Amino acid sequence: GQQVMQIPQYQHVQEGEDFTTYCNSSTTLSNIQWYKQRPGGHPVFLIQLVKSGEVKKQKRLTFQFGEAKKNSSLHITATQTTDVGTYFCAGHGSSNTGKLIFGQGTTLQVKP
Amino acid sequence: DTGVSQNPRHKITKRGQNVTFRCDPISEHNRLYWYRQTLGQGPEFLTYFQNEAQLEKSRLLSDRFSAERPKGSFSTLEIQRTEQGDSAMYLCASSFAGENSPLHFGNGTRLTVT
Repeated sequence: GQQVMQIPQYQHVQEGEDFTTYCNSSTTLSNIQWYKQRPGGHPVFLIQLVKSGEVKKQKRLTFQFGEAKKNSSLHITATQTTDVGTYFCAGHGSSNTGKLIFGQGTTLQVKP
Repeated sequence: DTGVSQNPRHKITKRGQNVTFRCDPISEHNRLYWYRQTLGQGPEFLTYFQNEAQLEKSRLLSDRFSAERPKGSFSTLEIQRTEQGDSAMYLCASSFAGENSPLHFGNGTRLTVT
């Protein structure tokens, strides 16, 4: 079945440093969604990418969708302590299913 | 819009007992999802409904798990004859139909099987 993998599993950075997490799918995705889960919280939707090669920005966060629609990345510039949490990518394997498969997440720790 | 509501927040049960969780989705949403999450892992898909129809169920889900959404509004997830391996956070989410609709998660029900 479809698998979504993320690396790294954990990342510790000093405040102000950049951070990147990578997401790879075993199958072509119709879209990719990114979620953030704060410690003790639930996943919260950040953004969705649909088109091949798409790039979207939200302030210090930059999201990319690969040309083959099988991989994606999230880059945070100049991390802040408020960025702490686990970032998940999730994808639909095909356009005729509502099933959303999540990666195992990348947990970001930021040292002030 | 009060968000997705899940009850109870915590449930401790003894192995072999049955448990039932409830999820009230955002009222305008016609899709409802159940996920399971263990420490250090991403949400694992269990099943989802569109209105009252259960459209997909994970093959990993044993016969001990059953979910219902009888009137297309709230949903229940029942686990029969609980095992220690069932201990996890059970997350409910809702969305509009369509693959481009983001999921809105509830705060989850944390199950501990002793």
